Amino acid sequence: AQKITQTQPGMFVQEKEAVTLDCTYDTSDQSYGLFWYKQPSSGEMIFLIYQGSYDEQNATEGRYSLNFQKARKSANLVISASQLGDSAMYFCAMRENQYGGSQGNLIFGKGTKLSVKP
Amino acid sequence: DTAVSQTPKYLVTQMGNDKSIKCEQNLGHDTMYWYKQDSKKFLKIMFSYNNKELIINETVPNRFSPKSPDKAHLNLHINSLELGDSAVYFCASSQALAGQNEQFFGPGTRLTVL
Repeated sequence: AQKITQTQPGMFVQEKEAVTLDCTYDTSDQSYGLFWYKQPSSGEMIFLIYQGSYDEQNATEGRYSLNFQKARKSANLVISASQLGDSAMYFCAMRENQYGGSQGNLIFGKGTKLSVKP
Repeated sequence: DTAVSQTPKYLVTQMGNDKSIKCEQNLGHDTMYWYKQDSKKFLKIMFSYNNKELIINETVPNRFSPKSPDKAHLNLHINSLELGDSAVYFCASSQALAGQNEQFFGPGTRLTVL
């Protein structure tokens, strides 16, 4: 079974509007971390935002926020006021055993390609 | 200053050859990783090293051999290259194995096997 599911292979959003990229995860661990990365067409991987499983508040970083719903095992990324430069692939990822016994690696979803229209 | 660097950025080679990709991080991190991104953009862990010790070898053929001469370097050597090895290989590092430590990725090495 997939550990990270991103159901939207591609999405379009109008410039200046908000967009939500979906991510659901599957783990039996109590402690885990959820990450979002951006990969523009140039290929580099850019860290955006992190949410720990014990964090009570949703993470925010500038125009990025993470809508964390633990009971539903979802960690959707919300980008407010989209810009043309936001056009990229977005990957949701999870690290299990966040506070002990972790092997460190991230488990990635298949990504969502976001296109921002002018 | 580049935090995680990889060389070369592009690598084109014939089937059967042996090649190496080098990775260096100047962040003082203890943990380094190799990921493979296939043609469909799917990223999968290959290896993780913590303090120069192998932590994960994730069902990778033994033609792939990582080597960590020190905590700042994790090189990837590939023997007898096959067509299916064509992919983008990313090196990454993090401060530790666990905790709120994001991974910093290198720019990637695009390997093409002809």
